[in-house]
Amino acid sequence: DADVTQTPRNRITKTGKRIMLECSQTKGHDRMYWYRQDPGLGLRLIYYSFDVKDINKGEISDGYSVSRQAQAKFSLSLESAIPNQTALYFCATSDLTSGGAGEQFFGPGTRLTVL
Amino acid sequence: GQNIDQPTEMTATEGAIVQINCTYQTSGFNGLFWYQQHAGEAPTFLSYNVLDGLEEKGRFSSFLSRSKGYSYLLLKELQMKDSASYLCGTYNQGGKLIFGQGTELSVKP
Repeated sequence: DADVTQTPRNRITKTGKRIMLECSQTKGHDRMYWYRQDPGLGLRLIYYSFDVKDINKGEISDGYSVSRQAQAKFSLSLESAIPNQTALYFCATSDLTSGGAGEQFFGPGTRLTVL
Repeated sequence: GQNIDQPTEMTATEGAIVQINCTYQTSGFNGLFWYQQHAGEAPTFLSYNVLDGLEEKGRFSSFLSRSKGYSYLLLKELQMKDSASYLCGTYNQGGKLIFGQGTELSVKP
């Protein structure tokens, strides 16, 4: 079974709709992240969370919100979707190691299209 | 803030060696990652450098110079399956991992 799962894997929606993307992990990691990926722009950080009570904005948080329902779950919401939010969205997890920062493990991605 | 630059695309020949450079500026530097990403798939971890020097792992090596804000990923004995995007990312002490735009590597026969 996959350690980091995302649902849905693909979603087509219309402008103005509210959308929620979900991420679950079985790795027991405290840190979770949401990124979006657009051609030629790499991965851009939307939000990240170090535990259930800790939420931080990333590079491009406008138009998005998140919820850390439990250590294993981190949801991303688009309150009112717009076409330029069409992208590939990745969830990732990591944990601190004795050597410092921990490797990130990515989910399979959610392809979102906003018409 | 954090800023990362890497070439947009590179082409190399099967069996050859290629070096992908990455320059960065970050406050509170806490390590540099390299990830490989095939089209339509999730990124996968290649290497992590937090101290200066070269880390070797099979055909892949990664180098870091903190004083120069510079890293490179070296791929030896290139194979067709190495055609992918290579992402350089820096971690700051706040736990924020920021990526460059990625380098699209094409390996030709």
